[in-house]
Amino acid sequence: SQKIEQNSEALNIQEGKTATLTCNYTNYSPAYLQWYRQDPGRGPVFLLLIRENEKEKRKERLKVTFDTTLKQSLFHITASQPADSATYLCALPTSGGSYIPTFGRGTSLIVHP
Amino acid sequence: GEEVAQTPKHLVRGEGQKAKLYCAPIKGHSYVFWYQQVLKNEFKFLISFQNENVFDETGMPKERFSAKCLPNSPCSLEIQATKLEDSAVYFCASSQYRTEAGNTIYFGEGSWLTVV
Repeated sequence: SQKIEQNSEALNIQEGKTATLTCNYTNYSPAYLQWYRQDPGRGPVFLLLIRENEKEKRKERLKVTFDTTLKQSLFHITASQPADSATYLCALPTSGGSYIPTFGRGTSLIVHP
Repeated sequence: GEEVAQTPKHLVRGEGQKAKLYCAPIKGHSYVFWYQQVLKNEFKFLISFQNENVFDETGMPKERFSAKCLPNSPCSLEIQATKLEDSAVYFCASSQYRTEAGNTIYFGEGSWLTVV
């Protein structure tokens, strides 16, 4: 099954800067990759999906890249705000052809005013 | 409804007692998933349903865990004879489609089970 690595250390940045979070996977190349946001005491909320034939996807201040050679996705939040502080999870199909997402442990983002 | 509804929000059980959690998926969604999140660890997939049929139960500890999704009823996840290590947040999620090109799943707020 897929192994997903996200930085376990919290990322602290200043308001207005760009936050960049990393998701690495180790096994097969997935057909797609997703990013979710989780606030304390809440369920994850879907943010973006990027497919294997897409190199980049944008949504408002969010940008996701997908490098199947490096087996890596980068998640960027531009002009970050304190309200962006949360844990960000990446998710990939559990195995080839699976539709069940496997989640990484997530990276905590703290945006300081 | 427009959101995945999970009940109860919190549940405390003595070791060895039974725990039962409920989930109402978003109306029109055919797929239901259960995940377990222990503290801040990763989500562990337990089981998924397509309507009332089990689709994938590779993550279920079958000796004590069971789940159902019956027509016109909330889905349920039941743990018989709970153990301390079952303490976790149990998330239910639903999705409308199943596609290898990617499907968005919508999570409920979770049910926090504490076994004492």
